[in-house]
Amino acid sequence: SAVISQKPSRDICQRGTSLTIQCQVDSQVTMMFWYRQQPGQSLTLIATANQGSEATYESGFVIDKFPISRPNLTFSTLTVSNMSPEDSSIYLCSVEDLLGQGVQYFGPGTRLTVT
Amino acid sequence: AQKVTQAQTEISVVEKEDVTLDCVYETRDTTYYLFWYKQPPSGELVFLIRRNSFDEQNEISGRYSWNFQKSTSSFNFTITASQVVDSAVYFCALSYHAGGTSYGKLTFGQGTILTVHP
Repeated sequence: SAVISQKPSRDICQRGTSLTIQCQVDSQVTMMFWYRQQPGQSLTLIATANQGSEATYESGFVIDKFPISRPNLTFSTLTVSNMSPEDSSIYLCSVEDLLGQGVQYFGPGTRLTVT
Repeated sequence: AQKVTQAQTEISVVEKEDVTLDCVYETRDTTYYLFWYKQPPSGELVFLIRRNSFDEQNEISGRYSWNFQKSTSSFNFTITASQVVDSAVYFCALSYHAGGTSYGKLTFGQGTILTVHP
């Protein structure tokens, strides 16, 4: 399985500011995903990031709020813009296994608190 | 639309007890994958198992076993002789695929918090 790292691991931010989360993979992957896990809740897919194309956002998530970059096959960033306390969550990136058979491996997550 | 339901929000057992975590899913797709993930207190999501909708064989891995029943749209997970280290949140998930190629999106259940007491 791929080894995935995320930066930062946690942060405390003030409302109205933005935070960019980085996701680095140790191998080239086609599909990368960004999920949000609100406190005590399950994971919800924010968007799918494919290299060389615009990210595909799920219902309820918009590019202005969560812009995503995917400059190459091993790296992606998610920005949480104009933050409010409701954005306090764990943000996780994931990649699909190299065989494309559905298994996703997750990074350690970024724990964001907005005050 | 896809949906995964884990009816048990929390389960508490004493070490060495067997415990079953229930998962029921809804999908209109004829081909799909089912998964179980473990999220220990550290927060990282750990992949446990993937099951293809074509394959209804049950699977056993050490103390873990999984029962997939397409007729009832269920994919239940049993831990035999539970241990304190099994304490975690367990998620069941579902994704669509066609021709063996995944379409990526994982739909997660709400999770079951399992606490194993010594």
